[in-house]
Amino acid sequence: QKEVEQDPGPLSVPEGAIVSLNCTYSNSAFQYFMWYRQYSRKGPELLMYTYSSGNKEDGRFTAQVDKSSKYISLFIRDSQPSDSATYLCAMSALYNFNKFYFGSGTKLNVKP
Amino acid sequence: DVKVTQSSRYLVKRTGEKVFLECVQDMDHENMFWYRQDPGLGLRLIYFSYDVKMKEKGDIPEGYSVSREKKERFSLILESASTNQTSMYLCASSRSQGFAEKLFFGSGTQLSVL
Repeated sequence: QKEVEQDPGPLSVPEGAIVSLNCTYSNSAFQYFMWYRQYSRKGPELLMYTYSSGNKEDGRFTAQVDKSSKYISLFIRDSQPSDSATYLCAMSALYNFNKFYFGSGTKLNVKP
Repeated sequence: DVKVTQSSRYLVKRTGEKVFLECVQDMDHENMFWYRQDPGLGLRLIYFSYDVKMKEKGDIPEGYSVSREKKERFSLILESASTNQTSMYLCASSRSQGFAEKLFFGSGTQLSVL
C-alpha cells in the first residue's frame, strides 16, 4: 500500500466551478501537509501549507486536513482556465520532516 | 525569487553512458534533493543532501550517485545509464529550519535513455 493515495484524474470542469481535490494517507505520524501545483513542462510550486489539522484559506484556495480520517483536501473556488495543471499533495512527519511523501498527482482541466 | 536551475531541459543518452545532471540554487539553502517523476508513481526521492559533502539515500538510490562539493550545487550521476532510468528528474532545495520547509523545484530534466 502506498503511503499517499491520490486519484490521477483527469478532472475536467467548466470555468467557475468549485473543484475538490483529495488525498488519503496511511501514516498517522504525518503532521505537515502541502499542495503543489505543476504546470506542463515545469517543476512543482508550493500552493498551500498546513501544519496538523484544520483549514487554511488563501484567496480562492482552501486546504483542509482531517487527521482522524487521514484525508486532506484542496478546494478551488471560481476555477479559472489558468488553474489547469497537475496538483500534487505532499506530507511529512515530525520525526523526519525532510522526507516528503508525494501523491501521484491529479490532472485538472478547467474549460473556458 | 528563489531560483533552482537545472542545466539541461532535455537529454538523450545511450545505454551504458555516464550521465551528469547538474542543479544550482541561488538562495543559500542547506538542503538539496533529487527526485524522479514517473506517471502514476508521483515523485520519488533518489538522494538528499543537508550540507556540503553530506548525502543520504532516498527511496530509490540504486544506479545513482550524487556529489555536493559546494553549497549551491548538487549533481546527480548515473554511472551506467539504463533504459529504466528514462524519466523526468527534478531537483529541489529548501532551508533547514527544524521543521518541514517549502521545497523549491527546478523545471526538470527529461532524460531519455535509448
